[in-house]
Amino acid sequence: NAGVTQTPKFRVLKTGQSMTLLCAQDMNHEYMYWYRQDPGMGLRLIHYSVGEGTTAKGEVPDGYNVSRLKKQNFLLGLESAAPSQTSVYFCASSSREFGSYNEQFFGPGTRLTVL
Amino acid sequence: GQQLNQSPQSMFIQEGEDVSMNCTSSSIFNTWLWYKQDPGEGPVLLIALYKAGELTSNGRLTAQFGITRKDSFLNISASIPSDVGIYFCAGQHGGATNKLIFGTGTLLAVQP
Repeated sequence: NAGVTQTPKFRVLKTGQSMTLLCAQDMNHEYMYWYRQDPGMGLRLIHYSVGEGTTAKGEVPDGYNVSRLKKQNFLLGLESAAPSQTSVYFCASSSREFGSYNEQFFGPGTRLTVL
Repeated sequence: GQQLNQSPQSMFIQEGEDVSMNCTSSSIFNTWLWYKQDPGEGPVLLIALYKAGELTSNGRLTAQFGITRKDSFLNISASIPSDVGIYFCAGQHGGATNKLIFGTGTLLAVQP
């Protein structure tokens, strides 16, 4: 099992450019999440999905869009990148077992710099 | 958005020393979690706590779920160089989405 994988690992964009980050999981998890990590801020939830075809906003969704067309993939899009979106982006997935916490498994991250 | 207050922000210690860090929140949680992030990697779950007052160990790590449900503590005994990394607390209110709220992180450096 590869677990959670993210593509690409690094990317540099110019202001105004667009790009898509891909997250893939092979654990058959229902739930998937996108976070951003900034120095001194911890991880903040951007968007999440509770199943194929469904997405919802997290706490910092502005400037991002997501899609979950297949259960194993969760895409994060930046339509017009801004320097404030320079960050490390993490994808995570978890199962859906009611009654207790379901561990979120994280990918290795994508380091994005917007100039 | 809500974030958890985690302290200290960073710690620089000698190998063999014990370490303590804590996390506080303005709201109560049903679950408290502690994650570790190695350099260049994603966070990995260390310990999960499910009940107020619960004390749970994982090797040299011990964590506690505060009685008020608004705080949690992590202790690392006899630190070793591979303990280096960023430690995050996280809280979960419960509900169907399994969402987490993360702390700001504690950077731990261990000098051999």
